[in-house]
Amino acid sequence: GESVGLHLPTLSVQEGDNSIINCAYSNSASDYFIWYKQESGKGPQFIIDIRSNMDKRQGQRVTVLLNKTVKHLSLQIAATQPGDSAVYFCAERGSGNTGKLIFGQGTTLQVKP
Amino acid sequence: NAGVMQNPRHLVRRRGQEARLRCSPMKGHSHVYWYRQLPEEGLKFMVYLQKENIIDESGMPKERFSAEFPKEGPSILRIQQVVRGDSAAYFCASSPPLGTGNTIYFGEGSWLTVV
Repeated sequence: GESVGLHLPTLSVQEGDNSIINCAYSNSASDYFIWYKQESGKGPQFIIDIRSNMDKRQGQRVTVLLNKTVKHLSLQIAATQPGDSAVYFCAERGSGNTGKLIFGQGTTLQVKP
Repeated sequence: NAGVMQNPRHLVRRRGQEARLRCSPMKGHSHVYWYRQLPEEGLKFMVYLQKENIIDESGMPKERFSAEFPKEGPSILRIQQVVRGDSAAYFCASSPPLGTGNTIYFGEGSWLTVV
C-alpha cells in the first residue's frame, strides 16, 4: 500500500548549521510532494512543494530535492535557526487529482543554540 | 495556515456525546479535506469534499463519522457517540480546484478530548 516514511525520528543540529531531513515514499505514481512544518499545538504550515517533473526547487533558506529513481525526497534548511525547531512532515499526493495527501510520521528538528 | 478557520479549537465531550467540528476554507477555495492526527503520529486522511459533494471518503471510519460541505456555510465533521479513541487533533485543509501542484493549506486544528 501507499506509505511515506521519514528516516529519522529526531534530528539535532547546531544553530547556524545546515539541516537535511529525509523522506522515502513508496508510490511511484505520486505527482506532487509537499513539506510541512508543525509546531506544537498548531496546524501544518506549508514550507515548499515540488512536482514530479522537477528534481530540485529552492525557496527562502529551504531546498527540496526529489529523486524519483529511488523514491526519495529531502528538505534542506540553510543556516538553521531556533525558530526552525518543529516537526517536519513530507506528504505525497497520488496522481489523478485525488487531493488526498499521504503523510509520513514526521521528523523532529531540534536546534541547539 | 492563513485563512482556513476551524472551530472550536478545543472541545471536550463525554463518551456517547456528539462532536461537531467546523471548517471555513480559505477565500476562493472550493475543496475541503479533513485529517486526523493522533499524538506522536502523522496526519491521516479522512475525507475530501467539494461543495455539496463527497469526493473521497476512503479514510472515514465506517460508523459514527460523517462530513458535509453544504452550498452555504462551513464544512462540518460530525462524530456521533464519541469514544475515548476519538480523542485526537482534527485538521481541516482547503485548496482551489485541483491542478498539478495546487497547494493545500491547513487550519490550526480542533483538539477533541473524550472523557
